[in-house]
Amino acid sequence: EPEVTQTPSHQVTQMGQEVILRCVPISNHLYFYWYRQILGQKVEFLVSFYNNEISEKSEIFDDQFSVERPDGSNFTLKIRSTKLEDSAMYFCASSEGTGKNIQYFGAGTRLSVL
Amino acid sequence: GNSVTQMEGPVTLSEEAFLTINCTYTATGYPSLFWYVQYPGEGLQLLLKATKADDKGSNKGFEATYRKETTSFHLEKGSVQVSDSAVYFCALSALGTSYGKLTFGQGTILTVHP
Repeated sequence: EPEVTQTPSHQVTQMGQEVILRCVPISNHLYFYWYRQILGQKVEFLVSFYNNEISEKSEIFDDQFSVERPDGSNFTLKIRSTKLEDSAMYFCASSEGTGKNIQYFGAGTRLSVL
Repeated sequence: GNSVTQMEGPVTLSEEAFLTINCTYTATGYPSLFWYVQYPGEGLQLLLKATKADDKGSNKGFEATYRKETTSFHLEKGSVQVSDSAVYFCALSALGTSYGKLTFGQGTILTVHP
């Protein structure tokens, strides 16, 4: 069964450093998403991406965050200057369409900012 | 804004016990409702969904009915197994107002003992 893959599974970084989290969505999907879950809290929406541009973003997704689909397969989340409070599990998801279409999630990348 | 509230966890049951995890929501319009499950070390997987009022989603012995009048989508299973131990997330997607972003509840940890 097709799956969403995320790398790395765990990323440790120093505060102020840039990190790039990588995702390979399911190949025929058109909509891509990033979510995050701070330990003990809810899974929160960060951003959705369609047709090579951001379609929606949350208030969490400030200027420190960016997303890119650099080629036909990868979908990346960049944090320019990490803060301690960016430590969380980051999930990538993709779907064929919106609304009733199912979102398929990757296993997540655990980001630890020291 | 949209929100989802799940019952507090963790929930600990013996094998073959009856399971209920409560979920209520607040949303504008007519959202689609989902239950996702996360097994240890894995990503979120769709367990079941319902897209309109009175729909019943079902999968692997789990069921949930979309109750518009009580704005609820409680998850039930008649006889749980040890393999059902996981974290369960209730979520909604508000049609027509976003590019399919999911709003999650806080998750409920279920542990089933033999």
